Amino acid sequence: SAVISQKPSRDICQRGTSLTIQCQVDSQVTMMFWYRQQPGQSLTLIATANQGSEATYESGFVIDKFPISRPNLTFSTLTVSNMSPEDSSIYLCSVVASSNQPQHFGDGTRLSIL
Amino acid sequence: GQQVMQIPQYQHVQEGEDFTTYCNSSTTLSNIQWYKQRPGGHPVFLIQLVKSGEVKKQKRLTFQFGEAKKNSSLHITATQTTDVGTYFCAAHTGGFKTIFGAGTRLFVKA
Repeated sequence: SAVISQKPSRDICQRGTSLTIQCQVDSQVTMMFWYRQQPGQSLTLIATANQGSEATYESGFVIDKFPISRPNLTFSTLTVSNMSPEDSSIYLCSVVASSNQPQHFGDGTRLSIL
Repeated sequence: GQQVMQIPQYQHVQEGEDFTTYCNSSTTLSNIQWYKQRPGGHPVFLIQLVKSGEVKKQKRLTFQFGEAKKNSSLHITATQTTDVGTYFCAAHTGGFKTIFGAGTRLFVKA
């Protein structure tokens, strides 16, 4: 399976600032996703990162708050903008090689906002 | 939208006891996937079931997909402390997107 490198692994940020999380895959993948996971909770899909075009956001998530880039088939970034304490969570990127294949996750980014 | 219901939310077992988590959908699923997330870790893919009535085994883990492809279960025989974590079922909603169940958190007491 693909090797996924997600950075940073954790960060503590001040409210009102922004943080960009990077996800690098060692091989070309069809799909890349960004999830949020609150402690003890399930995974909530934020958006699908589309290569060369705007991301597809799920209900409750907007581009102004969570801008996403995917310049090629191996790399994507998620920015958490104008952070507030409610944004404290674990953010995970995942990749899918092809249709109906399982997802493989990065190690996640633990984000705390003071 | 499509939902995948998973129970129980958590379970405490004594080491050596069995454990089962169940996943149900109101609609027919094309496939079902199971993931394990260790405390502090990320979800790791365990297995995918595709066929009606399919049963797959991985050592002490047995995975079943219902005949109607609307439910699935994961059974662990004789749990060990290394089984601790949260087990998620997940289903494709169409194409590449996946919806995850709420997860079952397993605690194993030595």
